[in-house]
Amino acid sequence: GIQVEQSPPDLILQEGANSTLRCNFSDSVNNLQWFHQNPWGQLINLFYIPSGTKQNGRLSATTVATERYSLLYISSSQTTDSGVYFCAVGTAGGTSYGKLTFGQGTILTVHP
Amino acid sequence: KAGVTQTPRYLIKTRGQQVTLSCSPISGHRSVSWYQQTPGQGLQFLFEYFSETQRNKGNFPGRFSGRQFSNSRSEMNVSTLELGDSALYLCASSLVPAGLAGVYNEQFFGPGTRLTVL
Repeated sequence: GIQVEQSPPDLILQEGANSTLRCNFSDSVNNLQWFHQNPWGQLINLFYIPSGTKQNGRLSATTVATERYSLLYISSSQTTDSGVYFCAVGTAGGTSYGKLTFGQGTILTVHP
Repeated sequence: KAGVTQTPRYLIKTRGQQVTLSCSPISGHRSVSWYQQTPGQGLQFLFEYFSETQRNKGNFPGRFSGRQFSNSRSEMNVSTLELGDSALYLCASSLVPAGLAGVYNEQFFGPGTRLTVL
C-alpha cells in the first residue's frame, strides 16, 4: 500500500518562529489532508489539499502531486500551535478504498 | 451543522468483555470509517462503510466488527477484549469514501472514544 513519511518527527520552537513540516508519499493521491491533534485526541482539519496551495491565517500548505510531497507552513508560531500534526492521504482502488493512510506525525512544541 | 459525534467518550472494560462504540456522522454524509490510534502503531484503518455496506476492512482480527444503519450512523464492536485493544478509537465521516478520484472527499473526525482494557 501507499507509504507516508513525515519529517521532522519532533520540532521545538520559540514563540514567533516559523516552521515547515514535510509529508512525502509513495503514490499518486486523490486526497491529502493535514490535521492537528488536540490534547484530547480529536483530529482538527487544517487543510484538504490533494494539489495546489492554500492559506488560512498563519498556516499555509502546498502539495506538489507530481513530486509526491506536501508542505505545511506555520508562521509566527504561538504556544497554542503545540501538538501533533498529521498528514494523511487517500488513493483509489483495491485495499486503499475508503481509507486514509496516516504518517507518524510531527510533534511540535512552541515555548513562550 | 453539527459535527461528528461519538459515544461514549471514555470506557473501561476488563479482558474478555465486549464493547460497542457508536458514531453519528455529519448530516448528509454517507461514508463512515473507523481508526484505531495507539502510541506504538499510530493511526490504523479499521473499516469503512458506505450506504450500509462495508467497502473495505483493515488488517484487524475478526473480533473487530461494525455496521452502518440506514441513517448512516455506525457502530463498531470488539468482542473478547484484550489488553492490546486499549486505544483511542476515532471515526470519520464524509460525503463519499476517501480517495475517490475527481470527487471532493474530505474526511471529518469525531472526538474519539478512549477505551481502556484492564
